Amino acid sequence: GAGVSQSPRYKVAKRGQDVALRCDPISGHVSLFWYQQALGQGPEFLTYFQNEAQLDKSGLPSDRFFAERPEGSVSTLKIQRTQQEDSAVYLCASSLSFHPTISYEQYFGPGTRLTVT
Amino acid sequence: EDQVTQSPEALRLQEGESSSLNCSYTVSGLRGLFWYRQDPGKGPEFLFTLYSAGEEKEKERLKATLTKKESFLHITAPKPEDSATYLCGGTSGSRLTFGEGTQLTVNP
Repeated sequence: GAGVSQSPRYKVAKRGQDVALRCDPISGHVSLFWYQQALGQGPEFLTYFQNEAQLDKSGLPSDRFFAERPEGSVSTLKIQRTQQEDSAVYLCASSLSFHPTISYEQYFGPGTRLTVT
Repeated sequence: EDQVTQSPEALRLQEGESSSLNCSYTVSGLRGLFWYRQDPGKGPEFLFTLYSAGEEKEKERLKATLTKKESFLHITAPKPEDSATYLCGGTSGSRLTFGEGTQLTVNP
């Protein structure tokens, strides 16, 4: 079946521009996550949605970062007034459900590589 | 705060030379320890989930094990196509905390 898809795959932005990154999760997956991955590093958590509710946004590095999932499916990560330090790969992941005592595996999309010049 | 440390940072093996990758974690109330494989330019690909100490899972040439402080990914008789970065991540809730990965190269 179809996996997680992300668009665009590559984005070049001039410093100060706003960007919007899209994530289409696996159909029926309740949970959706955004991670940021710098070159040579592991992914770092940004934010988490359960359906349309944003339950954790503690990883967002500044108030220039904003994420939404208005209908509980597609999600958009928006970065306002981009800075060079925002250059990274932005990964989206989805997970089937939520359980009070165990965590289900997260399936990742291919990522969007953002370069801020 | 959850912490995950992977070693070594890079590992170079000859085809058929078995080895292990280490993942040390400090995750209070572990609700899952995950292993992923990541190829260049791609997103992480799910391999295994481990939930409790003593648990083991296998897939082809890979076997993952879990203790109360560490997880190991054992690679038996690796092939060049096993070359990739292997990521370990732990969670006490919903978010995954990842290590920095082990870059594995298997030479023919």
